[in-house]
Amino acid sequence: SQTIHQWPATLVQPVGSPLSLECTVEGTSNPNLYWYRQAAGRGLQLLFYSVGIGQISSEVPQNLSASRPQDRQFILSSKKLLLSDSGFYLCAWAQKGAYTEAFFGQGTRLTVV
Amino acid sequence: GQQVMQIPQYQHVQEGEDFTTYCNSSTTLSNIQWYKQRPGGHPVFLIQLVKSGEVKKQKRLTFQFGEAKKNSSLHITATQTTDVGTYFCAGYTNDYKLSFGAGTTVTVRA
Repeated sequence: SQTIHQWPATLVQPVGSPLSLECTVEGTSNPNLYWYRQAAGRGLQLLFYSVGIGQISSEVPQNLSASRPQDRQFILSSKKLLLSDSGFYLCAWAQKGAYTEAFFGQGTRLTVV
Repeated sequence: GQQVMQIPQYQHVQEGEDFTTYCNSSTTLSNIQWYKQRPGGHPVFLIQLVKSGEVKKQKRLTFQFGEAKKNSSLHITATQTTDVGTYFCAGYTNDYKLSFGAGTTVTVRA
């Protein structure tokens, strides 16, 4: 069966510090991968999605970046965090094909102080 | 680009009552998916609708896709405390990009 791992679960970082969140998927190959952010009490904002190794589509201009160094690994990074980067970050994967469902990781709750 | 709007943003329901949440798009949707996120949790897929006018049921939940494929609704009957959470609709704008609505957060009064 397929599983998705996302870590860490919680993170408190000072303003201006770097960020690296990692997500890995097991039990499938060549998935579409996604990063979403959810501000407190808000909806899911699509940040990045990837259809393959090294292929990243960015949805929102900001100080975040994403990389996909391996087929089932998706990394969200920042060189310098802002207060506004606080939120709940969710990684998700979906099989390629028409309109497949997305499976989410447990999420990382990031607080920038 | 496509925008998916959800209303209401918040729904406070008396236990046992029914309610409906709506998802509206400015463009025709290829499909619509519904997810539920429990407080503190992550979104979990509920169902997908693809055909115009399609209606699907899951126990007390009824999902409908509009005839013009521009709107969808989720109707919950006899609300229970287990229905608490945020319900999202989502749709693909191409084969890969999955965008979500803002969600409807449901609270239940016992």
